Order: sequence, then structure tokens, then C-alpha cells
Amino acid sequence: KQEVTQIPAALSVPEGENLVLNCSFTDSAIYNLQWFRQDPGKGLTSLLLIQSSQREQTSGRLNASLDKSSGRSTLYIAASQPGDSATYLCAVFNYGQNFVFGPGTRLSVLP
Amino acid sequence: DTGVSQDPRHKITKRGQNVTFRCDPISEHNRLYWYRQTLGQGPEFLTYFQNEAQLEKSRLLSDRFSAERPKGSFSTLEIQRTEQGDSAMYLCASSLVQFEQFFGPGTRLTVL
Repeated sequence: KQEVTQIPAALSVPEGENLVLNCSFTDSAIYNLQWFRQDPGKGLTSLLLIQSSQREQTSGRLNASLDKSSGRSTLYIAASQPGDSATYLCAVFNYGQNFVFGPGTRLSVLP
Repeated sequence: DTGVSQDPRHKITKRGQNVTFRCDPISEHNRLYWYRQTLGQGPEFLTYFQNEAQLEKSRLLSDRFSAERPKGSFSTLEIQRTEQGDSAMYLCASSLVQFEQFFGPGTRLTVL
């Protein structure tokens, strides 16, 4: 059974810092991995989708990498802004299963 | 707006009452998912449809829960005889088969 963990659980940084969020999964036979952002009391907003054959995806200040063999993905946020404050979730899709989410990393970017 | 929509956004009910939620997916998406999320946790999978067929249900989906997707368009999730433990955010998502999921704003259920 796939299990997804995210480290750290919470992170507080000053504005302008570059930061890395980590996602680990136990079953490497994934089809894809997706990073989401969730604001308090809201639904999830898709940030990046990485197919299993890809190593990374980039969108603006966000870069997500995937290392299937080690069961890891990282989300890199460059030049963080207070508007980046949210919970960041990763989810993996396994063949024959459905999306399994991690518990999220709660990010606070201080002005 | 062509995103995923959910109705209602908030629902407060008394224990023992039945509630029904609706999800309208992105029109060309053939997969529709329901998740439940409690405070501080990631979403937990409940069930999914491919077109009108319900292909999988989680063990979390007790006999009090039922979901439908008539005609492969919108979906409804009904909870019968609600319990306080049912209080959560219920999220709906849609996708094209196993590609990128797009989520709705969620329905927050509070059972008193």
C-alpha cells in the first residue's frame, strides 16, 4: 500500500528566501506525481504534474523534481513571497490504484 | 467559469439527518473523484467514477455513504444518518483518465 510523507510539517521563512519542500513515497511504481497548494478552508490548486518518465517540471518560481528510484520529489520555491503562504500537498498516482496524498507542509512566508 | 464546482459550500446539520452534496466536473473530464479531508490532514480517497461507472470505493465509505454519477456528468454524494465524525471538508476532483486532477472548492460539513 502506497504511503506518502512530507517533511517538514511546517516551515516559516522570511520573504525572499529560496526553499525546498520534500515528499517521499514508499512504492516507486507511480504513474505520476502532482503538487498542490491549499489555502485555509479552500480547495486544492494544481501547481505541477510530473509524469513518471520526467525528472522535473517548472512553472514560474516553482520547480518540482522527481526521483522515482529513491521515492522522492522536491518542490523548490524561489524568492518566496508572503502570498506563497499556504499548505503544499503532494499526491502520487499508482498503476491500478488512485491518488494518495501526503499530509502537507504548512508554509508561512513572513514579510 | 469552466472549473469544478461544488454545492453547497457549507452545510450544518444535526446528527441523524441526511445530507447530499453535488459536484459538477469540468465538462470534458471522464473521471470524477470524491475525497474527504479533516483538519491538518491530506485528502483521503473515497470513491471515483469513470463516466457513469463507479469503479472503486474506499473502506472509508461506509454503508451510510452513497455516490452516483448519472449520465456521466455531475455527481452526488449522500450521507445518511450523519454522525459527528462525518464533519469534514468533502472535495471533488475531475480529470481525463489518470492525468492532472482539478479540484473544486469543497463542501464543509458540520454535524452538530
